[in-house]
Amino acid sequence: KQEVTQIPAALSVPEGENLVLNCSFTDSAIYNLQWFRQDPGKGLTSLLLIQSSQREQTSGRLNASLDKSSGRSTLYIAASQPGDSATYLCAVGGQGGKLIFGQGTELSVKP
Amino acid sequence: DVKVTQSSRYLVKRTGEKVFLECVQDMDHENMFWYRQDPGLGLRLIYFSYDVKMKEKGDIPEGYSVSREKKERFSLILESASTNQTSMYLCAAVSAGYNEAFFGQGTRLTVV
Repeated sequence: KQEVTQIPAALSVPEGENLVLNCSFTDSAIYNLQWFRQDPGKGLTSLLLIQSSQREQTSGRLNASLDKSSGRSTLYIAASQPGDSATYLCAVGGQGGKLIFGQGTELSVKP
Repeated sequence: DVKVTQSSRYLVKRTGEKVFLECVQDMDHENMFWYRQDPGLGLRLIYFSYDVKMKEKGDIPEGYSVSREKKERFSLILESASTNQTSMYLCAAVSAGYNEAFFGQGTRLTVV
């Protein structure tokens, strides 16, 4: 059974720092991996989608990598801002679009 | 971008009521999903559908049913609401080819 783990569970950094969020999964037979952002009480916003054949994706200050063989993905946030404060979720995608989620990393960026 | 709209942001219902949560997507995505999110348990899959009139059970279907009469609309039904169904409910639409998931804004349901 696929299990997804995110470390750390919470992270507090000063504004301007570069940071890395980690996601690991136990079964490398995935279709894709997706990173989401969730603000308190809100739905999930898709940040980056990495297909199983890809190694990384970039969008603005965000860069996500995928290493299927080791069961790991990282989300790199450059020059963090207070507006980046949110919970970040990674999810591995199986057949038909079913997602298995990690527990999330709660990020706080202090001004 | 795909837009997924859930009919209510907040709902308060009484134990035993039949509850309908509606989800509509504005793109032609085949696959739709209902998840619930609870502290400490994360997001768990309740039901999903790959086509009109089609439905499949997810990991926690007990106490729920779904309806998909039109491609753009996927409804979650709580047959007889109970307090342990108090949760955040999230609907997602996924394209069959690219497999990127888009979520609605969530419905916070409280059963009293």
